[in-house]
Amino acid sequence: GAVVSQHPSWVICKSGTSVKIECRSLDFQATTMFWYRQFPKQSLMLMATSNEGSKATYEQGVEKDKFLINHASLTLSTLTVTSAHPEDSSFYICSARDRDRGRGSYNEQFFGPGTRLTVL
Amino acid sequence: AQTVTQSQPEMSVQEAETVTLSCTYDTSENNYYLFWYKQPPSRQMILVIRQEAYKQQNATENRFSVNFQKAAKSFSLKISDSQLGDTAMYFCALPQGGSEKLVFGKGTKLTVNP
Repeated sequence: GAVVSQHPSWVICKSGTSVKIECRSLDFQATTMFWYRQFPKQSLMLMATSNEGSKATYEQGVEKDKFLINHASLTLSTLTVTSAHPEDSSFYICSARDRDRGRGSYNEQFFGPGTRLTVL
Repeated sequence: AQTVTQSQPEMSVQEAETVTLSCTYDTSENNYYLFWYKQPPSRQMILVIRQEAYKQQNATENRFSVNFQKAAKSFSLKISDSQLGDTAMYFCALPQGGSEKLVFGKGTKLTVNP
């Protein structure tokens, strides 16, 4: 159980186009999903927190108009990179929190396999 | 603000031997969780072990154990009987300020040599 998928796993696009990345919790419901960005040989940097049915919360320095997040259901969050440029090329990872974990315990985050975005 | 420091960018160990990865952190919270995640070449993040700060007993998961020193804010990971499949990046992580956002260290690249 606790599987998170991401689609696509790899995408190449031209500069100026928009790209949508999907994050799905396959066997649990996730009220909260997180989007991270990881540059080569670096750590994960949290970009935003995606909350089902409400607006995403962005970390300082992350452009909300550049990285559009929609969390339309308890199993799906999407990240759209708008007007992509080569500097947006990166590895994007989502994680999801299982809302049904018991009280008193940390709601563990389950990570997706990541999406490699290359902008030409 | 919470910070997580991993001072060993790279480490290597011979197969079947033991290796310890270090992590120090800073937080103003009194009760919190600490995590070690593994990221193999596939880049899939995998939870290795979790420690609750109010528990004095060090967490253990099979070959993986931690040495948690709350006063020193130290949280090291010991891997016993290292296997080739343990080759990966290892990240120490701490929830940010009472929330469930995770702050990650810069990671330690571990290579297990045959």
